[in-house]
Amino acid sequence: GQSLEQPSEVTAVEGAIVQINCTYQTSGFYGLSWYQQHDGGAPTFLSYNALDGLEETGRFSSFLSRSDSYGYLLLQELQMKDSASYFCAVRRMDSSYKLIFGSGTRLLVRP
Amino acid sequence: DVKVTQSSRYLVKRTGEKVFLECVQDMDHENMFWYRQDPGLGLRLIYFSYDVKMKEKGDIPEGYSVSREKKERFSLILESASTNQTSMYLCANRSRENTEAFFGQGTRLTVV
Repeated sequence: GQSLEQPSEVTAVEGAIVQINCTYQTSGFYGLSWYQQHDGGAPTFLSYNALDGLEETGRFSSFLSRSDSYGYLLLQELQMKDSASYFCAVRRMDSSYKLIFGSGTRLLVRP
Repeated sequence: DVKVTQSSRYLVKRTGEKVFLECVQDMDHENMFWYRQDPGLGLRLIYFSYDVKMKEKGDIPEGYSVSREKKERFSLILESASTNQTSMYLCANRSRENTEAFFGQGTRLTVV
């Protein structure tokens, strides 16, 4: 089976740095992805870690450690528009077509 | 502008009705997915299709079926709608070679 666990809610101040964790229990997967979803909107792709380590895309970075069954999304220089829900997701090896999502973390950025 | 389009943003149906949710893509992607999204539960996979006429169950297929007669269209069918199927339904696609999935805007279904 598989399980992707995330904190349900995180609050941070504008301009700060916030880390959203994703821990997983799955037998094997191709990599860890992150998606952002604003209220009323569709999820949109943010990043993908195929290998262990840090991937940086502008203000957003994503990290994966397969040995620790752990990943995170790091958002720097937070802006009000970053208030949204963030989901981690994996493609499982036993069925490479399946894309499985975590329960999501709601980020609230305060002034 | 490439798109995944869901036929309705909002839908209200009665208990016991047969409901069709339609999803059309113009991206020529092989894989298509149907998820439902409920507060605190994230996105849960109902069914997915990896090719025309090919489908596999996701994690919560009970009460649902799907149809993929053409590559661009993936339909979700609620055989007999029930109130516990009130939810936001999201269609997505992904090409076989890439990791990024593209989502439609969602259909908020209310079963009364």
